[in-house]
Amino acid sequence: IEMTQSPATLSVSPGERVTLSCRASQSVSRYLAWYQQKPGQAPRLLIYGASSRATGVPARFSGSGSGTEFTLTISSLQSEDFAVYYCQQYTYWPHLLTFGPGTKVDIK
Amino acid sequence: EVQLLESGGGLVQPGGSLRLSCAASGFAFESFAMTWLRQTPGKGLEWVAIVNGTGTGTYYADSVRGRFSISRDNSKSTLYLQMNSMRADDSAVYYCAKTPLGIIVAVSGYFDIWGRGTLVTVSA
Repeated sequence: IEMTQSPATLSVSPGERVTLSCRASQSVSRYLAWYQQKPGQAPRLLIYGASSRATGVPARFSGSGSGTEFTLTISSLQSEDFAVYYCQQYTYWPHLLTFGPGTKVDIK
Repeated sequence: EVQLLESGGGLVQPGGSLRLSCAASGFAFESFAMTWLRQTPGKGLEWVAIVNGTGTGTYYADSVRGRFSISRDNSKSTLYLQMNSMRADDSAVYYCAKTPLGIIVAVSGYFDIWGRGTLVTVSA
């Protein structure tokens, strides 16, 4: 299953609403997670099951979608949110698990 | 504080071996399946291997099956990755990560705690 993310890079101003897209080459149901990675750090789980926020994740992060189309929304971008965001499908786990190439959110 | 700390990375020659360790703290290590992933600038994030909470069940990515071996010592709260017959394309930052369950099932195929990573370079 191939995961694609768009756009590859997004330039945004603090306070703006951000929508990131993730598409699967075939249905992954709702077995979809989102991660945030800052330079020099490990990825951090944001969303699992397509729309469930992980422990400690601010409410400004939300996930939606099912099947092949998914969205991560940041309602009002904060300075600490500039990072790379990855989606990951796990519908055939543990036999198949794939990450998308990532979307970089940087300062406009 | 929940923490994972990897060690054992470094430079190894093609065909050589390396063992990575991951020390866990702040949670009931034996209750959760644990996994290794790796990341390169070119190939991105890639899952490598997983072991269930008891250490009796393991799965591997096709790219490492037969060369890598994952194991755990619950008495030491430590996860291991033995890497043999290493190749240049095994060069990456290796992360250990925790899954949300002790068993390996589809609904638990995501990773809620990650270590900081350890760099492995395979080169002559």
